[in-house]
Formats: sequence, structure tokens, C-alpha cells
Amino acid sequence: GAGVSQSPRYKVAKRGQDVALRCDPISGHVSLFWYQQALGQGPEFLTYFQNEAQLDKSGLPSDRFFAERPEGSVSTLKIQRTQQEDSAVYLCASSRLAGQETQYFGPGTRLLVL
Amino acid sequence: RKEVEQDPGPFNVPEGATVAFNCTYSNSASQSFFWYRQDCRKEPKLLMSVYSSGNEDGRFTAQLNRASQYISLLIRDSKLSDSATYLCVVFGNAGKSTFGDGTTLTVKP
Repeated sequence: GAGVSQSPRYKVAKRGQDVALRCDPISGHVSLFWYQQALGQGPEFLTYFQNEAQLDKSGLPSDRFFAERPEGSVSTLKIQRTQQEDSAVYLCASSRLAGQETQYFGPGTRLLVL
Repeated sequence: RKEVEQDPGPFNVPEGATVAFNCTYSNSASQSFFWYRQDCRKEPKLLMSVYSSGNEDGRFTAQLNRASQYISLLIRDSKLSDSATYLCVVFGNAGKSTFGDGTTLTVKP
């Protein structure tokens, strides 16, 4: 069965450009998480969806970051006016039921902002 | 102080050694706990869940101490393939998860 997929796998953006990162969770998984991982650090929580509802967005670093999951399946993380400090790996994970369960991670999108 | 703290290591051990990692958390209301393994430039993969009663999976044993607010991972008879970064993750009661920064293990021949 298919795991979590993310696209693009790599993205180079010029500072100030908008980017959109896509996550396809495991089919039927209720919960979806976005994380930001900088080199040498653990994944940092950004936001959490249960179906289409965004239950927690406390980790989004600024109002330039926006996430959606309109039909409760695919999710998009959008970063507007990218800055160099946004360079990181963006990981998506899904879990079968509501939070606090085993999360299955996608391969991540490596974003480099020049 | 970070919500979830791990000794970053690195831990360098010979094959066959036993090694233990701890992870402390600050939120006493934390609900569930896991250990993940992350290889270089790969995504985290679940290693095991952590229960109050402790749980064992082959050479790996995980323990939770709620009173002292820490979880531990013990690896017995280390293999070269155990070399990786080990991440603990703690869930609060609203589904938000917090990862530690990981402990790096290198097992040498």
C-alpha cells in the first residue's frame, strides 16, 4: 500500500517567492501533521488537521505560513514571501485516527531559499 | 528550557554493547509517548510506543516514568544497523506533538 507522499521533494526558491508544498496522506487517515525540521534538530510541530478541520496551528512561525486540507485528504502548506530562515525540510505525517497515535511520515520536501 | 529534552550524544559504542537513552518532558499532562528512528536525510520511522508498564520488542526496551517525567530506550546487543538518530516524541491532550532534538548513536565494528 502507498505510504505518505510529498511533492516536490526539492524546492529552490528565491527570497520573496511564494511556495506550495503538497502532502498526500495514507488513504483514510484522519489526522495530518506538518513539521519543519532544521539541520541537527528534531521535527518542529507546525500544524495539525483532523479531517478538514485545522485543530492546532500554534506552531506556524508567522502569518506567511498557511496550511489547508479542504477535503480532508490532501494538504497544502503554503509559504508566502519566503525568507532564508524558511530553509528546512518540511515533513508531513498522517495517523489513522485522531492525534496521539503512531504517525507515518512522508519523505519530506527540502526547501532552500536563496 | 525545551519541552522535550534529549542528550544529543553522540554515543559511540562497539557492536554488542548495551546503550540507553533518556528523554525528559516538562508537561505533566502529556498523554502518549513514542520513540522514532531517523536515518541521515530520511524521514523518521516509528521504533516503538512507550507504555507505563514498559514494553519490549526484541533487543529494544522502552520505559515511561510519569513521576519523574522521562522515557527511556534501551538497546541490547547493538548492531551496526542501529546507527541512527533516535527521537522521542510526546503528545499533549489536544493532539499536538513535541519531538526532542534526537540522540545520535554510532555503532562501530
